[in-house]
Amino acid sequence: DGGITQSPKYLFRKEGQNVTLSCEQNLNHDAMYWYRQDPGQGLRLIYYSQIVNDFQKGDIAEGYSVSREKKESFPLTVTSAQKNPTAFYLCATTGQGGETQYFGPGTRLLVL
Amino acid sequence: GNSVTQMEGPVTLSEEAFLTINCTYTATGYPSLFWYVQYPGEGLQLLLKATKADDKGSNKGFEATYRKETTSFHLEKGSVQVSDSAVYFCALSMGNTGGFKTIFGAGTRLFVKA
Repeated sequence: DGGITQSPKYLFRKEGQNVTLSCEQNLNHDAMYWYRQDPGQGLRLIYYSQIVNDFQKGDIAEGYSVSREKKESFPLTVTSAQKNPTAFYLCATTGQGGETQYFGPGTRLLVL
Repeated sequence: GNSVTQMEGPVTLSEEAFLTINCTYTATGYPSLFWYVQYPGEGLQLLLKATKADDKGSNKGFEATYRKETTSFHLEKGSVQVSDSAVYFCALSMGNTGGFKTIFGAGTRLFVKA
């Protein structure tokens, strides 16, 4: 099946801990994105990558880091510097043409 | 800057009622416009889109028309079902030197009662 997978579905973070959210795609899409969704709010862009080994900050990059070593993978690390990490995190891709976004099922991050 | 404004929810309707969710946008240039739907606990999925003025996007009984003169892209459905209960996001996409950037509205939650 072609698609985007995110793991885990739920993730718990302790104070001072870094955690990494996985995003994998087999759509052969070049561009990948990370969004944060808070209750009752729209999506806010954290980081995006148009091509392997390159990525740019979005609107709320502070406290997050990413890497793009492979076309298929775009992991997001939530660092201890992110003081309010509880949210629903969505990974997305765009294919050729670049307009329509395809989303993974999301990871819900909770702080213990 | 570019932005999307959509009506606040929640919207609560009875089954078979008519649905309208308003969406207006501000953009420099000529964006493409989208409606995405999010079912509980899931990611977003594309519902419909329109790429130029006067285009009508449609899917699963939902429709929206790209109105440049009123900068609007209102979502409509003639007869909603319980299974339409979800959060609906209006969005615009603009190309730039860094690729395309998508801006989402805040989302409108729809509850449909049997």
